[in-house]
Amino acid sequence: DVKVTQSSRYLVKRTGEKVFLECVQDMDHENMFWYRQDPGLGLRLIYFSYDVKMKEKGDIPEGYSVSREKKERFSLILESASTNQTSMYLCASSLFQQYQGNTIYFGEGSWLTVV
Amino acid sequence: AQKVTQAQTEISVVEKEDVTLDCVYETRDTTYYLFWYKQPPSGELVFLIRRNSFDEQNEISGRYSWNFQKSTSSFNFTITASQVVDSAVYFCALSEARSNYQLIWGAGTKLIIKP
Repeated sequence: DVKVTQSSRYLVKRTGEKVFLECVQDMDHENMFWYRQDPGLGLRLIYFSYDVKMKEKGDIPEGYSVSREKKERFSLILESASTNQTSMYLCASSLFQQYQGNTIYFGEGSWLTVV
Repeated sequence: AQKVTQAQTEISVVEKEDVTLDCVYETRDTTYYLFWYKQPPSGELVFLIRRNSFDEQNEISGRYSWNFQKSTSSFNFTITASQVVDSAVYFCALSEARSNYQLIWGAGTKLIIKP
């Protein structure tokens, strides 16, 4: 089974703090993703990565950065947390395969509250 | 324009009833992939099924079945003899080449199974 592990399930941070959300996958997947999910707004892609040290902006990258130093690990960084970044963050990984597409597997999610 | 439409925002049924969740998609690609995910209250998004555009065979897995019809651009999901544990938000998603195989998500359908 694919396993995507997010380091923290629940976090409470103060405005202006630097926040790191860590994600590790154990299936040697090339692709990794960070989404946020908010009521009424659905799932929105923040950043994704197709390879080590490579990153691409998703739909809502503002206020976030990412790091992928190793294939299995993808970190989301909030340089200066703000209350509007209170959300659930979902990490995911995938491997594109011909005739099977890009099936994405998700971690359990990290609930971040910025106060 | 919505590329993946889940018109049912919320469905509530009594346990043991059958229920169908609708998904209508829009794409110009000839090769694409469709997915269903389940998100229980715990938050994790669980992959249920992938179907590629070349395979219109319906699929059955236990109490779950999926009906893919290219003629109506639909990929509907039926739960037979529903159980309380089926209560969750269900997302339909599309992956197409012109979107670089990123998942395009529907808004989700919240399914409530009453005992």
